[in-house]
Amino acid sequence: EAGVAQSPRYKIIEKRQSVAFWCNPISGHATLYWYQQILGQGPKLLIQFQNNGVVDDSQLPKDRFSAERLKGVDSTLKIQPAKLEDSAVYLCASSSPGGANVLTFGAGSRLTVL
Amino acid sequence: AQSVTQLGSHVSVSEGALVLLRCNYSSSVPPYLFWYVQYPNQGLQLLLKYTSAATLVKGINGFEAEFKKSETSFHLTKPSAHMSDAAEYFCAVSEEAAGNKLTFGGGTRVLVKP
Repeated sequence: EAGVAQSPRYKIIEKRQSVAFWCNPISGHATLYWYQQILGQGPKLLIQFQNNGVVDDSQLPKDRFSAERLKGVDSTLKIQPAKLEDSAVYLCASSSPGGANVLTFGAGSRLTVL
Repeated sequence: AQSVTQLGSHVSVSEGALVLLRCNYSSSVPPYLFWYVQYPNQGLQLLLKYTSAATLVKGINGFEAEFKKSETSFHLTKPSAHMSDAAEYFCAVSEEAAGNKLTFGGGTRVLVKP
């Protein structure tokens, strides 16, 4: 089965610019997650979708971050305007609902804000 | 609220020696526990998971972990380290009541010396 696809793999922008990351989950996976992984730290959940509805966005800095999953499949994470502290790897993961579901991660999108 | 603590951000082992990575968790309900591995510039890959069945869990690449409820621990071991084990390892916890989202520890980077 195809894995979780993410693009772009790398992005360098100036502070105050905007950026968008795209994720295509594993086919049939209803749940999609965006994690932020700052260098030297464990991943931190930004937002969780169940189909096209938001389950948890309590850790998403909503003044600058937004995410959508319009048709319950692909998802886009946007940052506008970017700050230096947003430099991180943005990981997308997907899973099937229920039980001890295992998250399958994409390779990540590495953002550098200068 | 669920949380994970990994003791030691860096571990150095000799090739052929025992690998021991420590993980302690906090959870208000019986948790699901996971170990993921991350190689450079890649996403996270599942090593093993505990889902309330056997307390000793065997994973890929010769790794295993033991769930000890009394100690709230889920330490990861491998009897004999291989050069290819050099990577970062993350312990994670999830609860069904929390939407099955994963909460990660800070990670332990493993260096294998020849």
